[in-house]
Amino acid sequence: AQRVTQPEKLLSVFKGAPVELKCNYSYSGSPELFWYVQYSRQRLQLLLRHISRESIKGFTADLNKGETSFHLKKPFAQEEDSAMYYCALSLNSGYSTLTFGKGTMLLVSP
Amino acid sequence: GAGVSQSPSNKVTEKGKDVELRCDPISGHTALYWYRQSLGQGLEFLIYFQGNSAPDKSGLPSDRFSAERTGGSVSTLTIQRTQQEDSAVYLCASSLSGGSGDTQYFGPGTRLTVL
Repeated sequence: AQRVTQPEKLLSVFKGAPVELKCNYSYSGSPELFWYVQYSRQRLQLLLRHISRESIKGFTADLNKGETSFHLKKPFAQEEDSAMYYCALSLNSGYSTLTFGKGTMLLVSP
Repeated sequence: GAGVSQSPSNKVTEKGKDVELRCDPISGHTALYWYRQSLGQGLEFLIYFQGNSAPDKSGLPSDRFSAERTGGSVSTLTIQRTQQEDSAVYLCASSLSGGSGDTQYFGPGTRLTVL
């Protein structure tokens, strides 16, 4: 069965510091990978997906199939980036049920 | 347009009682999903609907859990004989067609507390 691992429950950085939220997955096929974010008192929302190869709010994520990783990075963290971040996987099998990691809380201090 | 809505936002019930949770997806979205968010377990998939059919209900934790969707729109998740371990936030999401690259749009969730 597929699995998503986010090794850090909490990541605390200072404003302006680089950020890397780790995500590893296990699946024998070629999944779709996503990052979802939940800001305080807001609903869960999509941040970015690997197939778009886009940068959203300064965040990027590269799919490394060799290391089965999809780490989320931002060169300079902002206080408004403080949130819960979930890495998720969708099997490329026709429909998009998501398997989530347990999430990493990012705290950016001034 | 309006996003995914869920009701009630909070539900407190006694152990052994039945509860119904409602989800209104985005209009026109054929795919609907239920997830459960609990401390220590993160987000777990429960059931997926395509139209009124549920091709994947593999995440339902026991036969006390059931869900239906009518008219290709509103869905209801029912938990019978609730237990304390059912306490969690239940999230509903919808997507346009359910394809593997679809964006899922989440509702605000229903926080269920079983005393």
